[in-house]
Amino acid sequence: AQSVTQPDIHITVSEGASLELRCNYSYGATPYLFWYVQSPGQGLQLLLKYFSGDTLVQGIKGFEAEFKRSQSSFNLRKPSVHWSDAAEYFCAVGAWSGGATNKLIFGTGTLLAVQP
Amino acid sequence: EAGVAQSPRYKIIEKRQSVAFWCNPISGHATLYWYQQILGQGPKLLIQFQNNGVVDDSQLPKDRFSAERLKGVDSTLKIQPAKLEDSAVYLCASSSPRGSETQYFGPGTRLLVL
Repeated sequence: AQSVTQPDIHITVSEGASLELRCNYSYGATPYLFWYVQSPGQGLQLLLKYFSGDTLVQGIKGFEAEFKRSQSSFNLRKPSVHWSDAAEYFCAVGAWSGGATNKLIFGTGTLLAVQP
Repeated sequence: EAGVAQSPRYKIIEKRQSVAFWCNPISGHATLYWYQQILGQGPKLLIQFQNNGVVDDSQLPKDRFSAERLKGVDSTLKIQPAKLEDSAVYLCASSSPRGSETQYFGPGTRLLVL
């Protein structure tokens, strides 16, 4: 069965420090992979996505993620965190449903706190 | 381009009452999703529509939850009767089946069942 694991429930980093959020997935075929961010009281905003091709993908707000098939991972990175990055981050895998477009299976999320 | 619209944003009801949520997807998006997000968890798909047909409702508690998308545009999700464990954020998303497979989410409806 498809699943996504985000092993870090809560991470605190200092402003200006680098960030890496971990994501591991389980999926039988080549996955579609996504990172979404959710600010308090808000819906989910897409940061970046991987469908095929270059395994290093660039997203909005200076984020990037690297797909590593051998490790079944899709970790999210940012070289320098800003206070406005404090939010909850969700990794998701797209699973084909009934031959139509895919549904998303989400991890449990990582809550990021940024210290001044 | 307008995003996914949802209403109401917040709702408080007592258990055994009924409640309905409304979603208007991005114009032209044929696929519509309803997700349930319980506090501390990631969103979980409840139901997926392609135009006005149901593609996947395997995780929808059909004894109390129902959803419809009559004209292939707006959708309504209903809970009747509500239970305490239904307290959650209900997220609507839409996508176009051509190309990106990217789902765009609305702001959600936060439901509290007392």
